[in-house]
Amino acid sequence: EPEVTQTPSHQVTQMGQEVILRCVPISNHLYFYWYRQILGQKVEFLVSFYNNEISEKSEIFDDQFSVERPDGSNFTLKIRSTKLEDSAMYFCASSDKLVSTDTQYFGPGTRLTVL
Amino acid sequence: LAKITQPISMDSYEGQEVNITCSHNNIATNDYITWYQQFPSQGPRFIIQGYKTKVTNEVASLFIPADRKSSTLSLPRVSLSDTAVYYCLVGGSGGGADGLTFGKGTHLIIQP
Repeated sequence: EPEVTQTPSHQVTQMGQEVILRCVPISNHLYFYWYRQILGQKVEFLVSFYNNEISEKSEIFDDQFSVERPDGSNFTLKIRSTKLEDSAMYFCASSDKLVSTDTQYFGPGTRLTVL
Repeated sequence: LAKITQPISMDSYEGQEVNITCSHNNIATNDYITWYQQFPSQGPRFIIQGYKTKVTNEVASLFIPADRKSSTLSLPRVSLSDTAVYYCLVGGSGGGADGLTFGKGTHLIIQP
C-alpha cells in the first residue's frame, strides 16, 4: 500500500535556525498538506497546496513558514527562524480529491525539537 | 463549521465491540463524516467515511441516522492494539484544499 514518507523522523535545532522538513506524498495524489501537533494537544492544520501554489493556510502559518514542491515527488516545509514554541510533531498529508473528500493520508511525522 | 461532541475517553476489554458516538447537530447538507485513528507519536490514519445510513469496511462500521446529527463508529472485537485516539470529523464539502479540523478526540483504552 502506498504511503506518505517524511524525513527526518526527529530534528533537533537551535532557536533562530532554519529547518526544512521533507515529505514524499503518495505519487498520484494532487493535494498536499502540513499539520502540526504540539505534545498533548490537538492536530492543527497549517497549509494546503495544490497545483504548485498554496490553497489555504491557517493563522499559524505566518511569514516564518513556507512550502515548496521542488520536484515531482518532494514537498517541503521550511521554518525560517525557529522559536521554542515551534517544537512539535509535524505531519505531512496528501489526498486524491478526485476520489473522495476529507480522506487524507498522513505520514509518520517529524518530531521537531527547538532548544 | 460543524460543532463536534464526542466522549473524551472510553474503556473496554479485548474481544468486545466498542461503539463511539459523535454528535454533530449542525452538519451541513454536503458534509461527510470521517473518522481517523491516531496512535502515540504517529500521524492520524483514515478509518472510515460515510454520508448516510451504514458504511462498513474491513476495520469498522459507521452508522449514520437519517437526520445525520450524530454518527457511531463501531469497532468489532477490539484488541489491545486498538488503544488509540479516535477523531470524528465533519466536512469535506468545501473542496479539495480544505484542511481538516481535529478536535480532542476520544481516548479509547482497551484492557486485557
